[in-house]
Amino acid sequence: SQELEQSPQSLIVQEGKNLTINCTSSKTLYGLYWYKQKYGEGLIFLMMLQKGGEEKSHEKITAKLDEKKQQSSLHITASQPSHAGIYLCGADMGKAAGNKLTFGGGTRVLVKP
Amino acid sequence: KAGVTQTPRYLIKTRGQQVTLSCSPISGHRSVSWYQQTPGQGLQFLFEYFSETQRNKGNFPGRFSGRQFSNSRSEMNVSTLELGDSALYLCASSFGQSGGGETQYFGPGTRLLVL
Repeated sequence: SQELEQSPQSLIVQEGKNLTINCTSSKTLYGLYWYKQKYGEGLIFLMMLQKGGEEKSHEKITAKLDEKKQQSSLHITASQPSHAGIYLCGADMGKAAGNKLTFGGGTRVLVKP
Repeated sequence: KAGVTQTPRYLIKTRGQQVTLSCSPISGHRSVSWYQQTPGQGLQFLFEYFSETQRNKGNFPGRFSGRQFSNSRSEMNVSTLELGDSALYLCASSFGQSGGGETQYFGPGTRLLVL
């Protein structure tokens, strides 16, 4: 099984509705990064979480890292067509991993107008 | 500040050939990491360079190699291309001093198609 599991793999939401993406690790996370990718393009950095219980928000996107630092969620409020894309969580697995990020499989989001 | 740039954006090669991809990091960033993205395997770490030295390496065959220059620009080389090397190759840069725990900023990627 993968070290970092994302769910769901894909979702379709009506414009204006909320959505949540989960990222679960089999190991303790030292840092959790959320990125967004338009198909075939580079990754756009959204947020980074490091402390257990930490929560960050930017515009309509909120990300949380649970107390045990093994799960994170990304929540989008009142989704818009601009929120469509692939959301990826990337994990820093500790000092031994250096700058290597381990990524989940991604969640493809489609927003229906 | 200019972002991470990658050249070329698209490449078509045939099996057995070799290819070199280039990445220019954000000004001031000294760490460059390379990733391969495919539909089947997702995003996988290839290697990281910091101060012209390979600091970390993923589980890829020796056909995949890289280097970094004194201006922090990095190149990645794949020799004896195979069909399975078709992928989006992404590079990411960060300051790198702490050796981890830093936000990495990604370039637009180079899409390689091997025929």
